[in-house]
Amino acid sequence: AQSVTQLDSHVSVSEGTPVLLRCNYSSSYSPSLFWYVQHPNKGLQLLLKYTSAATLVKGINGFEAEFKKSETSFHLTKPSAHMSDAAEYFCVVTAFGNEKLTFGTGTRLTIIP
Amino acid sequence: AAGVIQSPRHLIKEKRETATLKCYPIPRHDTVYWYQQGPGQDPQFLISFYEKMQSDKGSIPDRFSAQQFSDYHSELNMSSLELGDSALYFCASSLEGQYNSPLHFGNGTRLTVT
Repeated sequence: AQSVTQLDSHVSVSEGTPVLLRCNYSSSYSPSLFWYVQHPNKGLQLLLKYTSAATLVKGINGFEAEFKKSETSFHLTKPSAHMSDAAEYFCVVTAFGNEKLTFGTGTRLTIIP
Repeated sequence: AAGVIQSPRHLIKEKRETATLKCYPIPRHDTVYWYQQGPGQDPQFLISFYEKMQSDKGSIPDRFSAQQFSDYHSELNMSSLELGDSALYFCASSLEGQYNSPLHFGNGTRLTVT
């Protein structure tokens, strides 16, 4: 069994300030974890993925996430928010052999000018 | 780089009508997934195909069916449409041979049932 919890349904930050989107997971197996971003009326775009290599994962557009097994967390961060970062972000988990992704409920990121 | 192509982008149907959604995966990708995303909801897995065979099934209603063709494109057929079927339908593709190959999503088909 696997599940993912995104701790904040909505996050607002000012442009140029750091972004933190929180995600906790549970999995019976060694998980692979992903962050996807969805802009309005667009498909989901992969930001980054963790697959048991380096625990600090760097993605596109300056985002990164750190896998912390002891805390079962995979929080997404960015040092400086940009207006174009405003979107919905989904934390996703899948275990080896399980081809179905389990999505979190999403975090809507709003950037304040 | 080529991406996942879905058609049509928008579709409006009346209750009890049928709809067909098409998905063209990234070239060389052998696995296709269909997801349904209701308003304000996270995507829900419907069904997947690997090498033209159904590989997994999620919360797909019996009124829906899907298949993957010899050129790896896939079609989702929806019959006896209900108002609750109004949603964004995503197709995604991946290369099954790669361990936990991430999914590449299309831009979706927005279905509105009136």
